[in-house]
Amino acid sequence: QKEVEQNSGPLSVPEGAIASLNCTYSDRGSQSFFWYRQYSGKSPELIMFIYSNGDKEDGRFTAQLNKASQYVSLLIRDSQPSDSATYLCAVNTNAGKSTFGDGTTLTVKP
Amino acid sequence: NAGVTQTPKFRILKIGQSMTLQCTQDMNHNYMYWYRQDPGMGLKLIYYSVGAGITDKGEVPNGYNVSRSTTEDFPLRLELAAPSQTSVYFCASRRRRDSYEQYFGPGTRLTVT
Repeated sequence: QKEVEQNSGPLSVPEGAIASLNCTYSDRGSQSFFWYRQYSGKSPELIMFIYSNGDKEDGRFTAQLNKASQYVSLLIRDSQPSDSATYLCAVNTNAGKSTFGDGTTLTVKP
Repeated sequence: NAGVTQTPKFRILKIGQSMTLQCTQDMNHNYMYWYRQDPGMGLKLIYYSVGAGITDKGEVPNGYNVSRSTTEDFPLRLELAAPSQTSVYFCASRRRRDSYEQYFGPGTRLTVT
């Protein structure tokens, strides 16, 4: 079992729809959870982090964490073509290391 | 601040050659990381450092070496390059263990033929 698994994608949604990206992790000692966006040929950029159970909202983005189920998700509301990218889920351990999932590629069609 | 800088941007190596990928950050961050990203995959941790003089292995350290003699620099050495090391290499830094954001460099695209 991979340490961090993401839905394989690709995911395609129409402009204005909600995009839902999911991630599960295996290490119950994981402390904090991140979503990075990576445009093709570019480096990852942090868009959300969450460390407590529940929801965290930032503009059109909502991260959801359920530690009991070892599950973290990212919702993108009112999706725009500029949201088309690969989204990487990352999980931090207490040692300060990050483990990344393989990413889900999102395409938002105008 | 320049943030995290990496050189070179691109490099082609022949099998068996060696090279050093340079990484420098000017944010006085303690934690630094080297990742590789193969096509269509996530980032795999090669080595990391929690401060000058301290380094440790990540998931995929074989074929690589690192050093951290200063806070700013974290070079990655490839010895005896192999085609399996063809990848994009990212360096990243974080201020401290509980800082949430990692800052990534622009990456080095390496091809070994």
